[in-house]
Amino acid sequence: AQTVTQSQPEMSVQEAETVTLSCTYDTSESDYYLFWYKQPPSRQMILVIRQEAYKQQNATENRFSVNFQKAAKSFSLKISDSQLGDAAMYFCAWVIQGAQKLVFGQGTRLTINP
Amino acid sequence: DGGITQSPKYLFRKEGQNVTLSCEQNLNHDAMYWYRQDPGQGLRLIYYSQIVNDFQKGDIAEGYSVSREKKESFPLTVTSAQKNPTAFYLCASSISGASTDTQYFGPGTRLTVL
Repeated sequence: AQTVTQSQPEMSVQEAETVTLSCTYDTSESDYYLFWYKQPPSRQMILVIRQEAYKQQNATENRFSVNFQKAAKSFSLKISDSQLGDAAMYFCAWVIQGAQKLVFGQGTRLTINP
Repeated sequence: DGGITQSPKYLFRKEGQNVTLSCEQNLNHDAMYWYRQDPGQGLRLIYYSQIVNDFQKGDIAEGYSVSREKKESFPLTVTSAQKNPTAFYLCASSISGASTDTQYFGPGTRLTVL
């Protein structure tokens, strides 16, 4: 089965510090796309960052960056200079090239302490 | 403003009743999706559609039905055959339905069976 695992149900960090959320996945495919989505209390899913598996360079979006380790099947999200507005559920997801279905992890609840 | 709208935000249903959840998008996207979210779990795909008048089952289609008569609209009907329909339902869309496309989500509908 092709799965996504987020091993940290909850994480907390002090405002302005850095936090890393973990994600691993299991697949025999070589061509796929990885995503991190944020779900704030409003519950609307918002795309944070995406990574193409064929790219060696890690994606970055302002304070958000990923550490993509293809051989280890790991895709962690680093949030730098954490802000109160970063508090949310974070979901890791991926899709195989040619497929339409996003496969989601169980989510990590991130709390930002002022 | 371009985006995805879902209505209603909260929906209550008595056992044995069918209910229909609305999803509309004005992004001119070809593909639309329905996901279900349960506590402690990631999103699971119910149905998706890549073109008008065509749709495919996702992982948990039993007890649900959809239609795609217009590009902008993808309503989901939760039938009485769905044994545990209480959940949060999210609609999404993407440009073409290709795996390279980012999926954008609506604000969701919370369905509660009384």
